[in-house]
Amino acid sequence: NAGVTQTPKFRILKIGQSMTLQCTQDMNHNYMYWYRQDPGMGLKLIYYSVGAGITDKGEVPNGYNVSRSTTEDFPLRLELAAPSQTSVYFCASSRVTGDSSGRTGEQYFGPGTRLTVT
Amino acid sequence: AQSVTQLDSHVSVSEGTPVLLRCNYSSSYSPSLFWYVQHPNKGLQLLLKYTSAATLVKGINGFEAEFKKSETSFHLTKPSAHMSDAAEYFCVVSGTGRRALTFGSGTRLQVQP
Repeated sequence: NAGVTQTPKFRILKIGQSMTLQCTQDMNHNYMYWYRQDPGMGLKLIYYSVGAGITDKGEVPNGYNVSRSTTEDFPLRLELAAPSQTSVYFCASSRVTGDSSGRTGEQYFGPGTRLTVT
Repeated sequence: AQSVTQLDSHVSVSEGTPVLLRCNYSSSYSPSLFWYVQHPNKGLQLLLKYTSAATLVKGINGFEAEFKKSETSFHLTKPSAHMSDAAEYFCVVSGTGRRALTFGSGTRLQVQP
């Protein structure tokens, strides 16, 4: 099992450019997430998905878009990159705990993509 | 709504001495709680999790945490620090609804030789 993989590892963008951050998991998890981590801060949720074809906004969705056409893949799209999007981006996946509460189980994280917008 | 507060942004200990990283949480329902560790330029790794079973939870690398509902705390401890423990530690709370985790701001653990 590779777990959660992300590409690229590093990227430098110019203001106004677009790019897609790729995320793939091989654990057959239904739930997938995108977070950003700014220096000295915790992670903030950008978007999440509870299954193929179903996505929803997190805490900081502006400037981003996602799609989920398969269970395995959850790409994050940046349109019109801005310096405020300079950050480290983490993809994660999880399954529900399986109990009646429906709480999220532990999340498995990818290694991250370090993005700089100049 | 749920939230988590890590009471120390930076903790420094000597190798071989105990580690205490403090975390308080707020949740309107019975939460799941986690500690994650992040080594420099790496992704996050799960240390341990509490999911309403035993209140004292043992994790990897000798870490453990105790869930105290009356104090709304979930402090992380280790009896003897090792140089390899130097990293950023995140306390995390999970609930229903958005199926997502709420992260604390992190505690950077420094281990002195």
